[in-house]
Formats: sequence, C-alpha cells, structure tokens
Amino acid sequence: EVQLVESGGGLVQPGGSLTLSCAVSGFTFSNYWMSWVRQAPGKGLEWVANIKQDGSEKHYVDSVKGRFTISRDNAKNSLYLQMISLRAEDTAVYYCARGSSARNVGPFDYWGQGTLVTVSS
Amino acid sequence: DIQMTQSPSSLSASVGDRVTITCRASQGISKYLAWFQQKPGKAPKSLIYVASSLQSGVPSRFSGSGSGTDFTLTIISLQPEDFATYYCQQYYSYPLTFGGGTRVEIE
Repeated sequence: EVQLVESGGGLVQPGGSLTLSCAVSGFTFSNYWMSWVRQAPGKGLEWVANIKQDGSEKHYVDSVKGRFTISRDNAKNSLYLQMISLRAEDTAVYYCARGSSARNVGPFDYWGQGTLVTVSS
Repeated sequence: DIQMTQSPSSLSASVGDRVTITCRASQGISKYLAWFQQKPGKAPKSLIYVASSLQSGVPSRFSGSGSGTDFTLTIISLQPEDFATYYCQQYYSYPLTFGGGTRVEIE
C-alpha cells in the first residue's frame, strides 16, 4: 500500500524557519518525481515545489524561490521541504504528492494527509 | 504562468444528477490536465490524468474530456459521496497551476 506521511508542521514566528518531512512507503521512492502542494485555510490548492527522481532537477513557485528548498533522501525514502524567512502568507496545510515515474513531471496520483504550518507572532 | 479557470465556482445538485465542471487554460496545454476531488478536512484524491484517463479505483461515473485549452469533468448519476470540491491542474509547464475549485453541494 502506498503511503505518504508528512510531519514537522507547527507554529512559527514570522521570519522563522521550519523543515517538513514526508516519509513514504509501499513503492520505490527513487523512481518518482515528488512535489509539495499547499492549501491556505479556506483556499484552493497551490503547487509549491517538486524534485526529480535523482534530485538533479528542482522547480519552485515564484513566491517561495530563495526561501524554500526541496530535497530528498532516496536511501531513507524521505522528501523534505526546508522553509526559511517564513511569512504569514505561508500559513497552510502542506501536502506531499507523488508524481510520475517518467522523465517528465507527470500527474500526481498519491497524496499524504498534510501537515499544518502556522506563521504567526 | 498558465492560468486555470474553473466554472462554475459552486453548484447545487441532487443525487442522481449529471454534473459537468469546466476548466479552461489560458494557453494550450495539450492533454496535460488532471482532476482532483477534495472533501473537507481531507487530502485531495486524484481522479483523472491526461485529461481523460481514470486513476485506478475511480468509479466509472467520472469522466474527463478535452484538449488544448478547454476541458470538462463529468459525473453521471451523482452519488452522496461525490459532494466535494473539485480541482483541475495543468502539468504542461512550470509553475504547475490549479484551478480555483468547484464546490458541489447538495441541493
């Protein structure tokens, strides 16, 4: 059974930092693109970042460039999102999602349950 | 960036109804479009990819169509468990973008 389990969310002050993790099981992690997608309270979905199977390619939405870093450890079957200089507008539930096993990004098929990040003083 | 516009933003329907949701891309995206279903407090669930292919386990009452800039999600014979919010998403180019969502409510 494919499982994605996020952790690391919490309350952080503006300007602070936080690192999210996504532990996966039930599939060969190193074969898949992986993404982070967020959802602000009461709002829609926003793709944040993704990373290629071997970590050689990463993409970000403009609003997080220079502040967020996506990474993965294929030996640990884990995906990460390091977030610095956090702003109130980063407050959201953060989901990890599995992408394609192909060379290109492809669609998402499995999602984690999400972890809530609240940026507030 | 490619803008994804869904319509309507919400609709009311009854069990057994046929429901159609439209998604329009601001530029051509071939068939690189996915649909997701989300219930309150839950993670999104993947329904459709490459515009018309059903993800494994998705009931056949869901169908998708379209290419280029105009796409539709159709639910024939709406079931109680289908009341949710639906999102389209393009994966043709970066940044990956979602539509604003369509909330399907009980009439």
